[in-house]
Amino acid sequence: DTAVSQTPKYLVTQMGNDKSIKCEQNLGHDTMYWYKQDSKKFLKIMFSYNNKELIINETVPNRFSPKSPDKAHLNLHINSLELGDSAVYFCASSDAGGGRISPLHFGNGTRLTVT
Amino acid sequence: ILNVEQSPQSLHVQEGDSTNFTCSFPSSNFYALHWYRWETAKSPEALFVMTLNGDEKKKGQISATLNTKEGYSYLYIKGSQPEDSATYLCAPFGSAGKLIFGQGTTLQVKP
Repeated sequence: DTAVSQTPKYLVTQMGNDKSIKCEQNLGHDTMYWYKQDSKKFLKIMFSYNNKELIINETVPNRFSPKSPDKAHLNLHINSLELGDSAVYFCASSDAGGGRISPLHFGNGTRLTVT
Repeated sequence: ILNVEQSPQSLHVQEGDSTNFTCSFPSSNFYALHWYRWETAKSPEALFVMTLNGDEKKKGQISATLNTKEGYSYLYIKGSQPEDSATYLCAPFGSAGKLIFGQGTTLQVKP
């Protein structure tokens, strides 16, 4: 069974469209994250939720909106997509502690291409 | 903002060679240091989480040490195998309350 699964794996869309990436974890973790792999290959945190509550909200455009319907799911909705949004987005989860001493478990990533 | 530096950026070794690489991070307000292994076309997988100065962790032929006073961690691979080829990421957890990932060291082990 996949521990952290995100869909879709690939997403190709045009500028201006709205799209969502879904993430689910079956590890019973309390904390979930969205990371973006930037052009220099760094993993940069975007958002973190603990038990459905937003705890980290980095400086990302407000076109990006996370939604956590329950602690096992954290979806990422992106409005008015721009060329610069093209990247690989990773979902992750960890036990309580916000990743301090609990390792992160990553999904396989969603490669978003905006044309 | 934490500055996390990993060196070297890339490394090519022969099968059987032992190798090591470095993660440097600010030593103030340190809580923990994570190491992840990231194979091509896969997702990062946790290797170690270290918290105490002088910590040493081992997993098979891979081991890591931590010096929180001077702000560095070493990752060692003894007798590298082709399947060890991956990018190795370190990420300190500090007072910002989040992991800050380094750019990684990409290891290629030639058979």
